[in-house]
Amino acid sequence: GIQVEQSPPDLILQEGANSTLRCNFSDSVNNLQWFHQNPWGQLINLFYIPSGTKQNGRLSATTVATERYSLLYISSSQTTDSGVYFCAVEADNQGGKLIFGQGTELSVKP
Amino acid sequence: NAGVMQNPRHLVRRRGQEARLRCSPMKGHSHVYWYRQLPEEGLKFMVYLQKENIIDESGMPKERFSAEFPKEGPSILRIQQVVRGDSAAYFCASSDFRTDTQYFGPGTRLTVL
Repeated sequence: GIQVEQSPPDLILQEGANSTLRCNFSDSVNNLQWFHQNPWGQLINLFYIPSGTKQNGRLSATTVATERYSLLYISSSQTTDSGVYFCAVEADNQGGKLIFGQGTELSVKP
Repeated sequence: NAGVMQNPRHLVRRRGQEARLRCSPMKGHSHVYWYRQLPEEGLKFMVYLQKENIIDESGMPKERFSAEFPKEGPSILRIQQVVRGDSAAYFCASSDFRTDTQYFGPGTRLTVL
């Protein structure tokens, strides 16, 4: 089945710093989503981005489907950005099923 | 438009009891997915349902677990004769179409004593 790898596994930032999180996947996909799991365990949708670039405030994402990777950019990080960031993909032949990466755990220090 | 609702948010069961987890999808969504997050692990797909149909149950354990999404009412994930290894967070998601944004509920945290 499709493999999803995220890097780095852990990241510590000072408030105000920028960061880039990466998601590599091993096969073509119909769907790619980025999520933030906050310290209370809730999964927040960030982007639905099977291809192209999107921006939402301080966050933006780019997926290059032909090269099988996606990037999540966080600018001017805040302590509320702390938590785990997951990338999840739906492979072409796996209708509906999202396969999650292991996540990047981000800690933003004041 | 209310989001995906799950209840209960926390559930404690003793070994051997049954656990019933409920999920109400977003209004107008007919596709429901269940995922499980074991402690210190990522999220794993369990089952994908549409109204009255199981589309993909490839992630469901072969025994003790079942899911349904009836014509009326919420989707139910049922775990019979729970064991300590079933302790986890169970998330439900819904979407409007199969290949579309999946919106997640707040999860049910199951603890088996």
